[in-house]
Amino acid sequence: QVQLVESGGGVVQPGRSLRLSCAPSGFTFGGYGMHWVRQAPGKGLEWVAVIWYDGSNKYYADSVEGRFTISRDNSKNTLSLQMNSLRAEDTAVYYCARDIASGSVDYWGQGTLVTVSS
Amino acid sequence: DIQMTQSPSSLSASVGDRVTITCRASQGISNYLAWFQQKPGKAPKSLIYAASTLQSGVPSRFSGSGSGTDFTLTISSLQPEDFATYYCQQYNSYPITFGQGTRLDIK
Repeated sequence: QVQLVESGGGVVQPGRSLRLSCAPSGFTFGGYGMHWVRQAPGKGLEWVAVIWYDGSNKYYADSVEGRFTISRDNSKNTLSLQMNSLRAEDTAVYYCARDIASGSVDYWGQGTLVTVSS
Repeated sequence: DIQMTQSPSSLSASVGDRVTITCRASQGISNYLAWFQQKPGKAPKSLIYAASTLQSGVPSRFSGSGSGTDFTLTISSLQPEDFATYYCQQYNSYPITFGQGTRLDIK
């Protein structure tokens, strides 16, 4: 069955960097676009970024543009989110999700918590 | 950016009730609208995409409708496992945006 497992979360100081990973299984990873979505504590869902199935296109939320980079390695079945210049407002659970319809998603990972604090 | 506004923000209902949640887009999004359910401490679950297409495995008591700027999610007969927070999402254009959520509580 389809599974998405995020990792890489933790506590990091403001201004520092962190790299999240998402390990997919149960489907042909290279055939699907992938998203990152986050949720700050007690808040709603916020879309972060998307990468197309072949990595040819990437789009970002205004709040992370220029600081975050989404990437993928289809040969290694890995999705990543490089987060630089982290701010307190980046504190959230980060979910990866599989794209099914040019923007909508079907499967979600369980999430990984990123806490930005000094 | 396209703003998504859900109403109500919270709702109390009883098992067996029929419930409708509304989502309005700040501009037309055709049918590029999805609905998600989230329970406390859990990842979201995908319910509907393309405004009215149920994801695989989603019970038929869930239905979606609408096009353009106005959309609805209807649960025809609430079950105990349906008490959760619901989000709409537009994917007509980037950045993708979500509604603020509707919390559905037991009355």
